[in-house]
Amino acid sequence: KAGVTQTPRYLIKTRGQQVTLSCSPISGHRSVSWYQQTPGQGLQFLFEYFSETQRNKGNFPGRFSGRQFSNSRSEMNVSTLELGDSALYLCASSWEASGRLGTKNIQYFGAGTRLSVL
Amino acid sequence: GEDVEQSLFLSVREGDSSVINCTYTDSSSTYLYWYKQEPGAGLQLLTYIFSNMDMKQDQRLTVLLNKKDKHLSLRIADTQTGDSAIYFCAESTDDMRFGAGTRLTVKP
Repeated sequence: KAGVTQTPRYLIKTRGQQVTLSCSPISGHRSVSWYQQTPGQGLQFLFEYFSETQRNKGNFPGRFSGRQFSNSRSEMNVSTLELGDSALYLCASSWEASGRLGTKNIQYFGAGTRLSVL
Repeated sequence: GEDVEQSLFLSVREGDSSVINCTYTDSSSTYLYWYKQEPGAGLQLLTYIFSNMDMKQDQRLTVLLNKKDKHLSLRIADTQTGDSAIYFCAESTDDMRFGAGTRLTVKP
């Protein structure tokens, strides 16, 4: 069974541009979560989608948005890029949305997209 | 402050045991997890423990859970240089919460 696939693996953008990152979850998984990882701030939760609906959102500005399609694939978009948006963006999928369902909540991560903003 | 706390760094010699500690604050956490992240990669699930268990062993890995103190630990026996990575603990309640990660360095 294929794992979580994130594309592209690397991106270089300039300030002010926008970017779209893609995540294909493990087959059958309906929940997709996005995280930003930086050396200074560690792993920070961006948002979670379940059955095409945003279920949870972290403390990020409105420039960060996402969506989920009917096949559970998800995209996240960052508009008006800033230097501080340079980070590793990680996507994770699970069978069910976050909660108390035990093994169905286990999140499986993709390899990430490394975004560099110049 | 963080809901899940870990020390940031741990250094051990090859062949020794490593113990990575984690404290969490939500006593209603149902499952607790350990993930490993190698350079340039995503997080890989290592193991998990259900909250009604005290211990779980899986080859070189031993997870200990003290619910009273809300303390979770990961012991790696016979630590190898390939174990050098960042280790994250996480708890699952209504959402998934991760610690900041412990960077394990294994010296030959």
